[in-house]
Amino acid sequence: EIVVTQSPDSLAVSLGERATINCKSNQSLIFISNNRDYLAWYQQKPRRPPKLLIYWASTRESGVPDRFSGSGSGTDFTLTISSLQAEDVAVYYCQQYYSGYTFGQGTKLEIK
Amino acid sequence: QITLKESGPTLVKPTQTLTLTCTVSGISVTTDGVAVAWIRQPPGKAPELLALIYWDDDKHYSPSLERRVTITKDTFKNQVVLIMTNMDPVDTATYYCAHTIRGKSLGAFDHWGQGTVVSVSS
Repeated sequence: EIVVTQSPDSLAVSLGERATINCKSNQSLIFISNNRDYLAWYQQKPRRPPKLLIYWASTRESGVPDRFSGSGSGTDFTLTISSLQAEDVAVYYCQQYYSGYTFGQGTKLEIK
Repeated sequence: QITLKESGPTLVKPTQTLTLTCTVSGISVTTDGVAVAWIRQPPGKAPELLALIYWDDDKHYSPSLERRVTITKDTFKNQVVLIMTNMDPVDTATYYCAHTIRGKSLGAFDHWGQGTVVSVSS
């Protein structure tokens, strides 16, 4: 089974500053036939379902603000929020869909 | 606009069987390239995919739960049904259904239901 592990577990960032969340897989998530990384990022606010932010590691979902970006390839990935806004307080999850579907344990993002 | 809505019991007893229904609107569950999944999330924990059914009726199950879980679809009602046997208190969670499409490699879930809370207790 592919395991994806996020770091840190929690993060406090000042408003307007950059927030960076990491996700590491125990296997490569690159699909050779299309050279895409099968990794997604979600944002979840309390009592709400997860919201898709990024898929294929770096493709922003329609309607997602451009302060959210995804990067990385293979086994190491990053979600970056370039300038933290109050509404970005949430738990963030990465999820692989290269083989089966598994989620990271989550990173709780708060305002410093 | 694609929407999904979960329905089912909020409380089940240990050893009972859980049946949940996901009613999909805005797209047919038989549309080429569409898949619908059941995903659960225990309180304070990460989501976990239980099962997924494709437009062509192919299915994927979580390896750890496939002996207890069955996913089917009712094409006339445009619904996806999850059946989970031998429920245990550790199965207490919010259960979501979610949509994905071939354009997202059938793996990134772009529409979710609001979720239904299921508690397992005697």
